[in-house]
Amino acid sequence: DVVLTQTPVSLSVTLGDQASISCRSSQSLEYSDGYTYLEWYLQKPGQSPQLLIYEVSNRFSGVPDRFIGSGSGTDFTLKISRVEPEDLGVYYCFQATHDPYTFGAGTKLELK
Amino acid sequence: EVQLVESGGGLVKPGSSLKLSCVASGFTFSSYGMHWIRQAPKKGLEWIALIYYDSSNKYYADSVKGRFTISRDNSKNTLYLEMNSLRSEDTAMYYCAKNQGDAWGQGASVTVSS
Repeated sequence: DVVLTQTPVSLSVTLGDQASISCRSSQSLEYSDGYTYLEWYLQKPGQSPQLLIYEVSNRFSGVPDRFIGSGSGTDFTLKISRVEPEDLGVYYCFQATHDPYTFGAGTKLELK
Repeated sequence: EVQLVESGGGLVKPGSSLKLSCVASGFTFSSYGMHWIRQAPKKGLEWIALIYYDSSNKYYADSVKGRFTISRDNSKNTLYLEMNSLRSEDTAMYYCAKNQGDAWGQGASVTVSS
């Protein structure tokens, strides 16, 4: 099974700072169709997860442009510029390239 | 508005069965694959099953393979998860989600305890 390793486990930031989360895969996530099915989700306290980024770098509708996904192959990054209060919660990467699909363990973004 | 509403959760004893439902609205349900994803208390997300739009393919996590069955009824806009031989480690919030992850339900709580 594909293992997604997220770092750091937790991240303390000051509002307005930039935050960066890494997601490393145990196998390349490029599918045979040429697409890379790596997604990022944010789960705010007490809520269901919400999609932020799909196919590595595409922002879902309504997601602010301060969320930037990048990477290829096995290394992926989510950057959040100018962290705002509504950005706090747990971030998960998720791969839908290889069966069984898998999530990273999560990165908790909190205020310093 | 896209909406997914799970139901059928509850408290059950180890070894018993339970069937979750997820009713979809606001999109063409029959055109999309659907997932079940769960989250144990204070833990991360775990993908557990996917069904294609036409039920032609189904995939499962190793942790539930052989015990859980995903199915759908496109005429009722409903996704199901039949769970058998439940164990304490199956205790979790169970979410249904639209393929591509752009819609999730609010979750159904399942507790397996004697």
